[in-house]
Amino acid sequence: EVQLQESGGGLAQPGGSLRLSCEASGFTFSDFWMHWVRQVPGKGLVWVARIDSGGRSATYADSMKGRFTISRDNAKSTLFLQIDGLRAEDAALYYCAREYYGFWSGYYLDQWGQGTQVTVSS
Amino acid sequence: DIQMTQSPSSLSASVGDTITIACRASQSVSGYLNWYQQKEGKAPKLLISWISSLQSGVPSRFSGSGSETEFSLTISGLQPEDFATYYCQQGYSSSWSFGQGTKVEV
Repeated sequence: EVQLQESGGGLAQPGGSLRLSCEASGFTFSDFWMHWVRQVPGKGLVWVARIDSGGRSATYADSMKGRFTISRDNAKSTLFLQIDGLRAEDAALYYCAREYYGFWSGYYLDQWGQGTQVTVSS
Repeated sequence: DIQMTQSPSSLSASVGDTITIACRASQSVSGYLNWYQQKEGKAPKLLISWISSLQSGVPSRFSGSGSETEFSLTISGLQPEDFATYYCQQGYSSSWSFGQGTKVEV
């Protein structure tokens, strides 16, 4: 069974940093591109970043460039999101998700974790 | 980034109704358009990929259509379990993006 388990969220101060983790199991992690998506409670989904299967290439939403860093450790089947210079607007539930590609079905996010909550407050 | 705009933001419907949710992209996304369903307190679930390709296990009352910049999700004969929020998402550009969501309420 495919599982994605996020951790590392919690309360952080404005200007501080957090490193979120997503541990994958039930599939060959190194074969898949991975994503982070965030959601403020009661609001919509916001795409944050994606990283290629080898961890060499990352892409970010324009609004996330500069303070967010996505990375991965394939040996440990773990995805990371480093958030620096935390702002109040970064408070959200952060999901990790697996990207799947099908020749007749395109690119999509087929597996999601349950999310880890980030709270930013002094 | 490509902007995705859904309409309406919310709609009220009854069991058995047929509803359509629209999604517009700020530029062509070719066929890289997906739809997700999210229920309260749960992670999103993929319903449809590549505009109209229904995922395994998704009821046939869900259907997708469109091309380039204009897309739609139709639910024919709403069931109680379909009351949720629906998101379109483009995977055409290297930076992906979601629509703002459409909440389907009783």
